[in-house]
Amino acid sequence: QKEVEQNSGPLSVPEGAIASLNCTYSDRGSQSFFWYRQYSGKSPELIMFIYSNGDKEDGRFTAQLNKASQYVSLLIRDSQPSDSATYLCAVDNNAGNMLTFGGGTRLMVKP
Amino acid sequence: DGGITQSPKYLFRKEGQNVTLSCEQNLNHDAMYWYRQDPGQGLRLIYYSQIVNDFQKGDIAEGYSVSREKKESFPLTVTSAQKNPTAFYLCASSIGWGETQYFGPGTRLLVL
Repeated sequence: QKEVEQNSGPLSVPEGAIASLNCTYSDRGSQSFFWYRQYSGKSPELIMFIYSNGDKEDGRFTAQLNKASQYVSLLIRDSQPSDSATYLCAVDNNAGNMLTFGGGTRLMVKP
Repeated sequence: DGGITQSPKYLFRKEGQNVTLSCEQNLNHDAMYWYRQDPGQGLRLIYYSQIVNDFQKGDIAEGYSVSREKKESFPLTVTSAQKNPTAFYLCASSIGWGETQYFGPGTRLLVL
């Protein structure tokens, strides 16, 4: 069974701080990694994806991938109360055709 | 206005009843997926379809059925064999198999 693990949280950060969300995965053959944001009662929305080792930046968001250590992280700079949500990590399987989702990390940004 | 629609937003099922959840997309995506989300949990794959007239079981297909007669539609039926159907059901699509998935707004199913 392929696994994707996330700390369920809640992770509480003050407004303006950097929030760091982490995800580990078990399938060494995984190639594609996704971060989704899910507000309470709503469906997940894609924040960003990353395929290559290293960092990928998009606005206030940075995804970091380390395939050797099998972890992917999401950094949110200048956190805002509107960033308060559950963040889901999703990892594809070795064949690259199915996603396994982690349980999500709940982030709380306090004004 | 392109997107994925799911209906109804809320659905109530009586014991022994089959219910069908609708999922429609006008994104011209080939692949479609159904997930189930329980409170505080991640998403679990129920069924997926790579192309019209084809679909495959996911990790938790028991008690569910699907059809894919049209490219834009992928309805999910929750049968009476599904003994614990209360959950948030999410439909997703991607332009091709293995590509980035985008989600509809979801249907919340409750048992009376």
